[in-house]
Amino acid sequence: DGGITQSPKYLFRKEGQNVTLSCEQNLNHDAMYWYRQDPGQGLRLIYYSQIVNDFQKGDIAEGYSVSREKKESFPLTVTSAQKNPTAFYLCASSISAGLAKNIQYFGAGTRLSVL
Amino acid sequence: KQEVTQIPAALSVPEGENLVLNCSFTDSAIYNLQWFRQDPGKGLTSLLLIQSSQREQTSGRLNASLDKSSGRSTLYIAASQPGDSATYLCALGAGNMLTFGGGTRLMVKP
Repeated sequence: DGGITQSPKYLFRKEGQNVTLSCEQNLNHDAMYWYRQDPGQGLRLIYYSQIVNDFQKGDIAEGYSVSREKKESFPLTVTSAQKNPTAFYLCASSISAGLAKNIQYFGAGTRLSVL
Repeated sequence: KQEVTQIPAALSVPEGENLVLNCSFTDSAIYNLQWFRQDPGKGLTSLLLIQSSQREQTSGRLNASLDKSSGRSTLYIAASQPGDSATYLCALGAGNMLTFGGGTRLMVKP
């Protein structure tokens, strides 16, 4: 069953805590992305990776960090520096670099809330 | 910087009606335009992808058009069904980024 798996579905963060959102894909895609979606709004790009061991900041990278040690995995850490982390987080992948030319496939999302 | 606007933000129609969703953008230097569907609390599903050299794409009851000169795209849904109820997002591809509109929340009433 191919696709993109995000976990957990719901996540709660305490004040000052770092949390990590998981994203795994078995589509053999080179490129992966993290987006943030606030209620009633479109998606904003946090980070993207075109290849293993490489990643680039998107529009709203402050307070977030990522790693890309394996092709299949692109975890996102929401750090304590992110003061307004409550949002819906979506992971996506596409076949190759030059992301804007390829269809992106999305996971089901992780909803992060602050306790 | 690219700005993408979708109007209306919400739309409610009776079943069977043909409808048009609008997407406008400020920078015509794009690779492509995509329309996505998002069900509540779920991820996005790609519906149609129009390359910058194309004028339209069709898939079943959906037809998307692209007019770069006017900075507009429309998504036409024929004979709407309650199962079409969802949020529809357009996204412009340029450089290394997709820029999303805020979406139109569609409700099709039986």
